[in-house]
Amino acid sequence: GNSVTQMEGPVTLSEEAFLTINCTYTATGYPSLFWYVQYPGEGLQLLLKATKADDKGSNKGFEATYRKETTSFHLEKGSVQVSDSAVYFCAPLFRGSARQLTFGSGTQLTVLP
Amino acid sequence: GAGVSQSPRYKVAKRGQDVALRCDPISGHVSLFWYQQALGQGPEFLTYFQNEAQLDKSGLPSDRFFAERPEGSVSTLKIQRTQQEDSAVYLCASSLDDNQPQHFGDGTRLSIL
Repeated sequence: GNSVTQMEGPVTLSEEAFLTINCTYTATGYPSLFWYVQYPGEGLQLLLKATKADDKGSNKGFEATYRKETTSFHLEKGSVQVSDSAVYFCAPLFRGSARQLTFGSGTQLTVLP
Repeated sequence: GAGVSQSPRYKVAKRGQDVALRCDPISGHVSLFWYQQALGQGPEFLTYFQNEAQLDKSGLPSDRFFAERPEGSVSTLKIQRTQQEDSAVYLCASSLDDNQPQHFGDGTRLSIL
């Protein structure tokens, strides 16, 4: 069946550190892939997306590449800021009759000054 | 407004009461989704509308949950005879169509006493 596995948190980094949050999926087809971010007290915001293999989504210094071979969509940022502190969700949109996003469990990121 | 609007932001109810949560999607968005997010977890799908048609309600946890979108715009999620386990954040999302990214509201935090 279809599923998503996301690196568990919490993750605590110092400002300007490198960030990687792992996300892998299991699917019968090729899903579209999304990362959403949830800042404290706010709703989910789309961070970036990729719809086919080898696509790279990028936004606000964050990047993720759709890797069909490893069924992964890891989120990376070269230099995190305090303002990046939030919860990050990997969310595939699996093909077929289902149209809803399937969310990972979320990774809490705290960036210290 | 420009984004998805949900009301109320917070709702406290006593066990056994009925509640109604409102979602005002982005104008022109055909698809509308409801998700439930428990504390510390990723959102989980409840139901999906395409215009006024409810095409998928497989995620509704019980027959106490009911959703409607009578004119293909505003949607209401109703929970009858609330239970403590219904306490969660209820998120609404809309998209132009099934293949476009979903845009989320800030959610309604429901607390059942």
